[in-house]
Amino acid sequence: AQSVAQPEDQVNVAEGNPLTVKCTYSVSGNPYLFWYVQYPNRGLQFLLKYITGDNLVKGSYGFEAEFNKSQTSFHLKKPSALVSDSALYFCAVRDPLGAAGNKLTFGGGTRVLVKP
Amino acid sequence: EAGVTQFPSHSVIEKGQTVTLRCDPISGHDNLYWYRRVMGKEIKFLLHFVKESKQDESGMPNNRFLAERTGGTYSTLKVQPAELEDSGVYFCASSPRTSGFSQETQYFGPGTRLLVL
Repeated sequence: AQSVAQPEDQVNVAEGNPLTVKCTYSVSGNPYLFWYVQYPNRGLQFLLKYITGDNLVKGSYGFEAEFNKSQTSFHLKKPSALVSDSALYFCAVRDPLGAAGNKLTFGGGTRVLVKP
Repeated sequence: EAGVTQFPSHSVIEKGQTVTLRCDPISGHDNLYWYRRVMGKEIKFLLHFVKESKQDESGMPNNRFLAERTGGTYSTLKVQPAELEDSGVYFCASSPRTSGFSQETQYFGPGTRLLVL
């Protein structure tokens, strides 16, 4: 079975500082990994995904994520956080060869608070 | 291009009543998914349509939930009768169906916030 863990319920960071949101996963095969963000009173917005290739993936709004197979991690990063990055972030995984089909399995979400 | 839309945005009903949620996917997207987030926990998969056919309904919690996608366009999710534990946010997502569709991004709607009293 596929699973995702986001070990931090909340991350606090000062504006201008680096932001990291952690995600680890468990799948039987090679994973497809996704990050989504939910701003207040909005839906889930796609940020970026890793399918294959370069382990460093760049996405929307200056975010990037690094796929680390040995550590089964896919941490989301931004070099310089903005107050507007304050939101709820979800990591998700899909195992293309597993029995789970095409559905995404999500982590519990990490709330990011960027203070001015 | 319009995104995934969901109606209503909010619904407050009493236990035992019926509620129907609607999702309009991105035009041309064959894949439609329902997910829900209950009590601030993980977002969990409910079911997956390919056009009008149910591809995977393994996440449907019980027979009080009925999803349809007649004509392969919009979808409805009916909860009858609603229970307190059904409260949460119901998300719909869609993706196109290409040869490598398992790599596709699922695009989510804004969700319907359901509160059962």
